[in-house]
Amino acid sequence: NAGVTQTPKFQVLKTGQSMTLQCAQDMNHEYMSWYRQDPGMGLRLIHYSVGAGITDQGEVPNGYNVSRSTTEDFPLRLLSAAPSQTSVYFCASSYSGPGQGTPGANVLTFGAGSRLTVL
Amino acid sequence: GESVGLHLPTLSVQEGDNSIINCAYSNSASDYFIWYKQESGKGPQFIIDIRSNMDKRQGQRVTVLLNKTVKHLSLQIAATQPGDSAVYFCAEIPGNQFYFGTGTSLTVIP
Repeated sequence: NAGVTQTPKFQVLKTGQSMTLQCAQDMNHEYMSWYRQDPGMGLRLIHYSVGAGITDQGEVPNGYNVSRSTTEDFPLRLLSAAPSQTSVYFCASSYSGPGQGTPGANVLTFGAGSRLTVL
Repeated sequence: GESVGLHLPTLSVQEGDNSIINCAYSNSASDYFIWYKQESGKGPQFIIDIRSNMDKRQGQRVTVLLNKTVKHLSLQIAATQPGDSAVYFCAEIPGNQFYFGTGTSLTVIP
């Protein structure tokens, strides 16, 4: 199993450009999520999905869009990149969302990360 | 929002010694906790978890202790090895969202 695959690993954008970070998992996980990781701060939730066709906002959703057309894929779109979006982005998935199912099913499996720089 | 803090941002230990990494959480409703390890340039990896109805849980070379009275979580790594060098952070689940700490950077000195 590949687990959670993120692409690209590195990306440099100019302010105002748009792009999509791809995320795919092959574990048949229902729950998928995107986090950003900034120095000195814990992982912050951007958007999440509890199943195909269902998405919701997390703590820091502004400037980002997501969709979940299949169980496997959960792309994150930056609509108009800003320097404040310079960060490392992680996609993560689990069998069920936090607070749902048995605790072990909530354990998130993370991708390797995508480092984004916005100039 | 919820905050999960760590007592020390950095920790250096000699190879072979035991390591203890601490985490304070603020929500007494949290009923599930997870420790993650993040190596440089990689995504976080699950180490061990514990439910709030437990005080201690052991894995291979790792032990997690939970003190609900003072809302404190610790990760103990026995016989620390160079491969244990990484950032460790805890996560709590007080319902329907994960809250992650900022992490402690562990450096193992050969």
